[in-house]
Amino acid sequence: QSALTQPASVPGSPGQSITISCTGTSSDVGGYNLVSWYQQHPGKAPKLIIYDGSKRPSGVSNRFSGSKSGNTASLTISGLQAEDEADYYCCSFAGSRNLVFGGGTKLTVL
Amino acid sequence: EVQLVQSGAEVKEPGESLKISCKGSGNSFTNYWIGWVRQMSGKGLEWVAIIYPSASDIRYSPSFQGRVTISADTSIDTAYLQWSSLQASDTAMYYCARLMAASWGGFEYWGQGTLVTVSS
Repeated sequence: QSALTQPASVPGSPGQSITISCTGTSSDVGGYNLVSWYQQHPGKAPKLIIYDGSKRPSGVSNRFSGSKSGNTASLTISGLQAEDEADYYCCSFAGSRNLVFGGGTKLTVL
Repeated sequence: EVQLVQSGAEVKEPGESLKISCKGSGNSFTNYWIGWVRQMSGKGLEWVAIIYPSASDIRYSPSFQGRVTISADTSIDTAYLQWSSLQASDTAMYYCARLMAASWGGFEYWGQGTLVTVSS
């Protein structure tokens, strides 16, 4: 299975909204509502921010939202803040108890 | 509070064996899928393997099949990832993580990571 495709970097400005895409195939992203998104700050473990495609864990800001269209999932962050600068990864169930991550996207808040 | 506590950093030579651990607490282990994720320096996350400890149900990423072994000891709520013969390319940070209950929709809890360095 191939890694899901994410843009390498996305720039944003404080207060702005940005969207990070995650493109897979009908065997993973498109076949299941089981995409998750993770935020990772330098030197830290990843943190779950979206699960089951669009659900937020308790304690995660409602500025983070997830969606899907066909084989592409998206993470939208609204009202960008400096603390949102981090790496973001998508992950999808890929059938037969397999998982696949995206290559990651570096969000820079200018 | 759910916690996954991983064993400490390791420095090994090529060809050596290694077993790293991930101990769960707070009713966090037996009836959940526990996975391992690799992150090479400056690179992205890669799913390695996953286990359902109470049933010893195991699945490996095709990229890691045959190169690592995942196991668990339910009596001490601990999962393991082991290598029989390390290579320099195994140098990376390894995280354990727990899937959400009854769902493959996300790794809800993560360990702090174990840095494995393989060098002669």
